[in-house]
Amino acid sequence: DAKTTQPTSMDCAEGRAANLPCNHSTISGNEYVYWYRQIHSQGPQYIIHGLKNNETNEMASLIITEDRKSSTLILPHATLRDTAVYYCIPTSGTYKYIFGTGTRLKVLA
Amino acid sequence: GAVVSQHPSWVICKSGTSVKIECRSLDFQATTMFWYRQFPKQSLMLMATSNEGSKATYEQGVEKDKFLINHASLTLSTLTVTSAHPEDSSFYICSAGSPSGVFTDTQYFGPGTRLTVL
Repeated sequence: DAKTTQPTSMDCAEGRAANLPCNHSTISGNEYVYWYRQIHSQGPQYIIHGLKNNETNEMASLIITEDRKSSTLILPHATLRDTAVYYCIPTSGTYKYIFGTGTRLKVLA
Repeated sequence: GAVVSQHPSWVICKSGTSVKIECRSLDFQATTMFWYRQFPKQSLMLMATSNEGSKATYEQGVEKDKFLINHASLTLSTLTVTSAHPEDSSFYICSAGSPSGVFTDTQYFGPGTRLTVL
């Protein structure tokens, strides 16, 4: 499974877009990139995932570089409730998630 | 959809006793469930993978005789912490994968169970 590198922490002003990067330079061709977030003392919440193409859902957008070595999760209009730890997780159908340290996003009023 | 529940949400027990935690997929059937442990200010660590009707697969360093996992149905997996000690105090989180989903890697997580061993 690919290793990931994410910033330890980020701040974002409420109402602005939050862009959370993830480096997964060792990702293999069949590995999807999943994003989850964990609000304090809760279980992780699924956000979005993708393989090659950019993806968008009601929560966020996922931009994956053409070489697939990195991706960016975009929360278009961050709210205080988006304060959480965000994890990117490459996975290849083995169901085995390896959680890194994630990015602690703090949305500021 | 894809809701996973855990019971109890928190438990306090005495050292040496056993504690059972239940994980249920409420609106889908899950062939595979997972158990994670999270210590304060740390990330989630996978403990074991549980497949319905078969023995669980434990990650390296996880004692299978201490953390008993039973996955007797497609909607229920249980984790029993046997002879609990204070060092077993942690946040235990389960997840369930949907076997019929197009994206088979998606896991849906429960809210977690906080175990405190006195």
